Amino acid sequence: AQSVTQLGSHVSVSEGALVLLRCNYSSSVPPYLFWYVQYPNQGLQLLLKYTTGATLVKGINGFEAEFKKSETSFHLTKPSAHMSDAAEYFCAVMREGGSEKLVFGKGTKLTVNP
Amino acid sequence: EAGVTQSPTHLIKTRGQQATLRCSPISGHTSVYWYQQALGLGLQFLLWYDEGEERNRGNFPPRFSGRQFPNYSSELNVNALELEDSALYLCASSHRTGYQETQYFGPGTRLLVL
Repeated sequence: AQSVTQLGSHVSVSEGALVLLRCNYSSSVPPYLFWYVQYPNQGLQLLLKYTTGATLVKGINGFEAEFKKSETSFHLTKPSAHMSDAAEYFCAVMREGGSEKLVFGKGTKLTVNP
Repeated sequence: EAGVTQSPTHLIKTRGQQATLRCSPISGHTSVYWYQQALGLGLQFLLWYDEGEERNRGNFPPRFSGRQFPNYSSELNVNALELEDSALYLCASSHRTGYQETQYFGPGTRLLVL
C-alpha cells in the first residue's frame, strides 16, 4: 500500500528565507507524485507533479521539487519565501498506470514571518 | 476555462438527516473524485466515478454514496448524518486518459452536523 509522510506539521520561516518542506513516500511501483497547496478556506491547488522524465520538477509560484528514488523523497523547495506563501501544503502519491486515488500526507502548515 | 465547481459552499444539518453535495467537473473531464478533509484525519479518498460508474471507494460506510450523471457532474449523498461527518468535502476531476492524470480540485463544501 502506498503512504506519504510529511515531516513537520508546522514549518516557520522568515520572509526571504529558503522554504523546505519534506515528503517521503512508500510505493511498491513507480509512483506519480504531487504537491498541492491549500489557502485558508479554499480547495487544493496543484503546485507541481512528477510522473516520468526529469527528476527536478518546476511548479508555479517559484516552487520546485526533486524526485529522489534512492531516498524515496519528493521534497518541496523555494529559494525565497514570500508572505503570500503562507498556506498548508500537501504531498500526494498516485500509482502509475491509470486513474487511482490520491493518497495524501497529513500536510505541513507553512508560516512566513516578516 | 471554468474550474471544478461545488455547491453548496456551506451546509448545516442535524444528526440523522441526509446531506446532498454537488460537483461539476471541468469541461471535458470524465472522472470525478470525492475526498473528505476532517479535522485531525487529513484528506481521505471517498469515491471515484468515471463514465457514470463507481470505480473505487475508500474506507467509508455505505451511508456515503453518490452517482455521476450523463453530463459527468456528480452528487455525494451522506445518509444518517453523524457528528463526525462534519468536514470539508472536496471534489476533483480529471481526464480518464490512464496516463499522467492530474486531479483538479474544487473549493469544497463545508458540512457541519449539529
